[in-house]
Amino acid sequence: GQQLNQSPQSMFIQEGEDVSMNCTSSSIFNTWLWYKQEPGEGPVLLIALYKAGELTSNGRLTAQFGITRKDSFLNISASIPSDVGIYFCAGRAGGSQGNLIFGKGTKLSVKP
Amino acid sequence: DAGVTQSPTHLIKTRGQHVTLRCSPISGHKSVSWYQQVLGQGPQFIFQYYEKEERGRGNFPDRFSARQFPNYSSELNVNALLLGDSALYLCASSWDRAVGEQYFGPGTRLTVT
Repeated sequence: GQQLNQSPQSMFIQEGEDVSMNCTSSSIFNTWLWYKQEPGEGPVLLIALYKAGELTSNGRLTAQFGITRKDSFLNISASIPSDVGIYFCAGRAGGSQGNLIFGKGTKLSVKP
Repeated sequence: DAGVTQSPTHLIKTRGQHVTLRCSPISGHKSVSWYQQVLGQGPQFIFQYYEKEERGRGNFPDRFSARQFPNYSSELNVNALLLGDSALYLCASSWDRAVGEQYFGPGTRLTVT
């Protein structure tokens, strides 16, 4: 099935460092979402973006909807051990289609 | 308020068997979507239901079917199970089918032996 290009695949960082990850698509989306998934659980919605160029924050997390509508970025500032998990981007094409298309995920490991 | 709930949590089935997975959406949400997540991948869209009607279908064989009930809960059925159907099955709810924000349940871990 179709998946978005998400990078990097994994990151090993020191506590307190900032993190950046991104997601690109060959198609235009009108919604970009970022989720976090921990082992044995479902994805948890972190940030939703609805307009090209939109920049939205949720605590230490900041995400942007690319102006081309084909990409999105997620930044985590001052990482802490509980940020560990897999981060997924997801896009929705729009119209009556409600399905989300996901990236393969970025696995984040944080060393205390 | 309760989030999306799914049952069972885990399930082990044999090839060729049939399985039914259940999902209850967040109260007030009318749309339910089903996703399959295999290890190391992001979720893949299977179905979306809204107001008891199928509104979207992903690239899955006819062995996969679903339905939505008047209380907006949903069932996913898979017939003639294959080893490759082993995955985490996720249910997501949203208040409307055209809304991007979908909230996921904890999933059902299906193992086919």
